[in-house]
Amino acid sequence: AQTVTQSQPEMSVQEAETVTLSCTYDTSENNYYLFWYKQPPSRQMILVIRQEAYKQQNATENRFSVNFQKAAKSFSLKISDSQLGDTAMYFCALGGAGSYQLTFGKGTKLSVIP
Amino acid sequence: GAVVSQHPSRVICKSGTSVKIECRSLDFQATTMFWYRQFPKQSLMLMATSNEGSKATYEQGVEKDKFLINHASLTLSTLTVTSAHPEDSSFYICSARVGLAGMLQETQYFGPGTRLLVL
Repeated sequence: AQTVTQSQPEMSVQEAETVTLSCTYDTSENNYYLFWYKQPPSRQMILVIRQEAYKQQNATENRFSVNFQKAAKSFSLKISDSQLGDTAMYFCALGGAGSYQLTFGKGTKLSVIP
Repeated sequence: GAVVSQHPSRVICKSGTSVKIECRSLDFQATTMFWYRQFPKQSLMLMATSNEGSKATYEQGVEKDKFLINHASLTLSTLTVTSAHPEDSSFYICSARVGLAGMLQETQYFGPGTRLLVL
């Protein structure tokens, strides 16, 4: 069975500062992929960033980057130059190559303070 | 690209009636769609996996006769909540899988969700 753990239920960050959200996971598969999704108050799930497990290079998307530590099964999200629009629930998700299903963490509520 | 729509966005119905929710992939074909349920301040709970042209696969504890799923085309999946009761009130979200051969570009894109309130 796959598990995803987000140990920070809530976090806050000052506007323009940097924040890191933690995620650890467990899987027995060799081929898998990891995601961070953002869910703002509108409740629309938005893909923030994805990472294939076979890639050693950490994924980046503008202000968003990940620190993927495969041996430690860790997949943290760093948000640089935080903006008010980054206020949302952030979900870490793990997908296996076989079933295509995603396993979600419980989420971290991020508040960006002006 | 990779836009998923969901209709309706909000529905209020009386107890005992059936409600149909549509999920469409607008600019891509989705061989697999997923239906989730989300309670307030909680994570997404997978209800079922829907494959085009075949029966849906339901997660343990999800009543397949109550939550009917039809995936008739590569761009449309529907979820029908039959004989809805107040405890079925929730936020229902669909997603569509964009996948190429193997794992390349394997990603799920989500619809905006449907808020169901059963009175």
